[in-house]
Amino acid sequence: IQMTQSPSSLSASVGARVTITCQASQDISHYLNWYQQKPGKAPKLLIYDASNLEIGVPSRFSGSGSGTAFTFTISSLQPEDIATYYCHQYDDLPLTFGGGTKVEIK
Amino acid sequence: QVQLVESGGGVVQPGRSLRLSCAASGFPFSSYGMHWVRQAPGKGLEWVAVIWYDENNHYYADSVKGRFTISRDNSKNTLYLQMNSLRAEDTAVYYCARPGIAAAGNVATYNYYGMDVWGQGTTVTVSS
Repeated sequence: IQMTQSPSSLSASVGARVTITCQASQDISHYLNWYQQKPGKAPKLLIYDASNLEIGVPSRFSGSGSGTAFTFTISSLQPEDIATYYCHQYDDLPLTFGGGTKVEIK
Repeated sequence: QVQLVESGGGVVQPGRSLRLSCAASGFPFSSYGMHWVRQAPGKGLEWVAVIWYDENNHYYADSVKGRFTISRDNSKNTLYLQMNSLRAEDTAVYYCARPGIAAAGNVATYNYYGMDVWGQGTTVTVSS
């Protein structure tokens, strides 16, 4: 299953709303996670099952979608959100990740 | 607390072998499938392999099939990745990761559920 993530990078102001999309090449139901990765660190789970916020993750992060189209949103971008974000499908093997979106502050 | 700690990385010549380990603690390791995921320098995440909680099944990415072997020792709470015939393109940080749901007593697909806990990674460099 191919995961097409866009954009590959974006630059936004502090406080801006940021949206990242992920398109699956076939129906994956809700079996999609979103991860945040900062340089030199392991990925951190933010959203599981497409729309559920992992415990301890700020509520400015959210996810939506099902089937083949998914969206990840940061409602108000903060300086500590600078990172690369990945979508990940686990509907079927082999598991696959989107190509990543690098988020920077304008 | 739940923790995964990888070890065994290093610099190795092309064609040689290396074995990675991942020590798990803070959760019932024997109830969870386990993954290896890698990240080449400056690149994205690539799933490598998964093993069922009871070792009955394992699956691999095409890029490593026939060269890598995932295994586990539930008595030692440890996951392994035996890497043979290493190539330059295997150079990466290797992470072990735990699915978000225990597979024991559940449907088989929970063995490869989305990952919620990751180790810190161990670096493998394949170079002559």
